[in-house]
Amino acid sequence: AIQLTQSPSSLSASVGDSATITCRASQGINSALAWYQQKAGKAPILLIYYASTLESGVPTRFSGSGSGTDFTLTISSLQPEDFATYYCQHFSAYPITFGGGTRVDIK
Amino acid sequence: QVHLVQSGAEVKKPGASVKVSCKTSGYSFTSIGINWLRQAPGQGLEWVAWISPSNGNTKSSQHLQDRVTLTADSSSNTAYMEVRSLTSDDTAVYFCARRGSTHGGMDVWGQGTTVTVSS
Repeated sequence: AIQLTQSPSSLSASVGDSATITCRASQGINSALAWYQQKAGKAPILLIYYASTLESGVPTRFSGSGSGTDFTLTISSLQPEDFATYYCQHFSAYPITFGGGTRVDIK
Repeated sequence: QVHLVQSGAEVKKPGASVKVSCKTSGYSFTSIGINWLRQAPGQGLEWVAWISPSNGNTKSSQHLQDRVTLTADSSSNTAYMEVRSLTSDDTAVYFCARRGSTHGGMDVWGQGTTVTVSS
C-alpha cells in the first residue's frame, strides 16, 4: 500500500499567518491526491482534489500544489475558522490511504 | 443538494456484528461509488472499503476484508456496511462518503455513526 507521510504533525499559528503542510507519498501517484479539513466531532470536508483543484465553495486562501511524491497544502491567511486538522489522501490505486493528519491550532 | 444520512449509534459486545446504513439523496445513486471509512477515538482516518452501487463491485482494505460486507439497495438509494466479529479495536466513528464524480476524492460525507464495542 502507498504510505502518505504528513508534516508537521501539528503547528501553531496566528490569525493572518500563512500555513504550509506537506504530504509525501512512498511512491509516485501523479496528481491523485486530495486534501481535507476536519473539525472535532465532524465529518471531513473536501478542500482540494487532483493536488491543486479547489473544490467548489472552498475559499481561495486554500491552495494545493505538487505531483509525483511531494505535495503541499497552503493556507494563505489563516482565519479563525481554519483552525482544525488537515489530512491528505491518495486515490492512485486501492487501497486508499490517508496521511496521519496535521493539527493547526491558535498560537 | 446531495445528502448522505447514516444510521444511529450502536453499542455491541465483542464477537457481535454491526450493520450501518447510509441513505443518499440528491443525485443518481447508481452513478457514483460509495466509500466507507472509520476513525478510532483520537486517531486519523482509515479507509475501509468501496462499493459501486451500479454493479455491486467492491474493494476492501486488507486489514478488514474478511470481516466486512458492503451492499447497496438502489430501490432505497441506501448503502450498507456490515462488520462481523467485532473487537474493541473496531470502536470508532464510521463514515460513508461519496466518491467524486470526476476524481477519487470524497466530496460528500455522512455525519458519522459511532460504534462502541464493549463487554
